[in-house]
Amino acid sequence: DTAVSQTPKYLVTQMGNDKSIKCEQNLGHDTMYWYKQDSKKFLKIMFSYNNKELIINETVPNRFSPKSPDKAHLNLHINSLELGDSAVYFCASSQELGGVGNTIYFGEGSWLTVV
Amino acid sequence: RKEVEQDPGPFNVPEGATVAFNCTYSNSASQSFFWYRQDCRKEPKLLMSVYSSGNEDGRFTAQLNRASQYISLLIRDSKLSDSATYLCVVTRGGSYIPTFGRGTSLIVHP
Repeated sequence: DTAVSQTPKYLVTQMGNDKSIKCEQNLGHDTMYWYKQDSKKFLKIMFSYNNKELIINETVPNRFSPKSPDKAHLNLHINSLELGDSAVYFCASSQELGGVGNTIYFGEGSWLTVV
Repeated sequence: RKEVEQDPGPFNVPEGATVAFNCTYSNSASQSFFWYRQDCRKEPKLLMSVYSSGNEDGRFTAQLNRASQYISLLIRDSKLSDSATYLCVVTRGGSYIPTFGRGTSLIVHP
């Protein structure tokens, strides 16, 4: 069983469209994240949720809206897609936020291309 | 200064070589430190946590220098399969936000 799974894996869409990426973890973790990895391979945190509550929002445009229906799921909805949104989006989870030995487990990534 | 800085490389080494990477961080209150490995077109995976006293896992040794605010990763007897990008991760003091460096690319050749 995949610990952190996200769908879709590949997404090609036109500018201006709205799209969602879904994420689920079966590790029983309390904390989930969305990271964005751009073309320069820089992995930047976007959001983090702990037990369904938003705890980190790293100055991400309002077009990005995370939703956590329960602590095992963290979805990402993107409105009015722009060319600059093209990137790989990684969902991840950890037992808690931070802490020594607190491993972050990543999903396989969702490759978003905006044309 | 970026929160977490790494030399992007690439480091191009022959099999069997010893190679070392450094990572510097700007926040002196940072709490936790890790090395992750990311293969091409794959997700990052934990390689090892970095403890204050330094720690070793097989051919890999990680060290932390709080005074100079850097962590290091030493790989001995490099294998072809070690070719990957090595990401330094530092959690911010106070908020515990895990912050990734840009990564250091390692290429091990025969």
